[in-house]
Amino acid sequence: DTAVSQTPKYLVTQMGNDKSIKCEQNLGHDTMYWYKQDSKKFLKIMFSYNNKELIINETVPNRFSPKSPDKAHLNLHINSLELGDSAVYFCASSQRRSIGELFFGEGSRLTVL
Amino acid sequence: EDQVTQSPEALRLQEGESSSLNCSYTVSGLRGLFWYRQDPGKGPEFLFTLYSAGEEKEKERLKATLTKKESFLHITAPKPEDSATYLCAVQASGGYQKVTFGTGTKLQVIP
Repeated sequence: DTAVSQTPKYLVTQMGNDKSIKCEQNLGHDTMYWYKQDSKKFLKIMFSYNNKELIINETVPNRFSPKSPDKAHLNLHINSLELGDSAVYFCASSQRRSIGELFFGEGSRLTVL
Repeated sequence: EDQVTQSPEALRLQEGESSSLNCSYTVSGLRGLFWYRQDPGKGPEFLFTLYSAGEEKEKERLKATLTKKESFLHITAPKPEDSATYLCAVQASGGYQKVTFGTGTKLQVIP
């Protein structure tokens, strides 16, 4: 059973389009995250939700909108895609009491042409 | 702002040749330091948490240690399957603090 699963694994799209990535975890964790990994492999947090409540919102353009329908799901919608949005987006989860012990999905590679 | 610097950026070892990876950090009060392993095309996989200077953790051929300014990941007699990028991350104490990652050390172990 996959612990943290995200779909799709690959997205290729044109500038200006809108896209969504979905994430689900079956670990019973109460906190979920979106991370962005750029071409230099730098992993940076974007958002964090605890029990459906937004608790971390880094300096991310408001074209990026996360949504957590329940504590097992966290989706990411991106409007008006730009070339600089090309990256690998990772979903992760943890227990709030063990924030650094993150369980990551396999990533969604977004390419904007 | 919390900072994590890892060195070297890349390391090539012969199978059986032990070495260490370095993680230097600056944080306003350390809540935890974390090591992860990332294989190509995969998400990072959690390895260890260290909480205070002097603490050590071991898993198979890997041993992580912590001082007040840095952490080392010692790899003893590595095998080709240890090839991966190793990421270090820190979390500051006080309230709800995000985890800050370094850029990693890419390890290649040659048979």
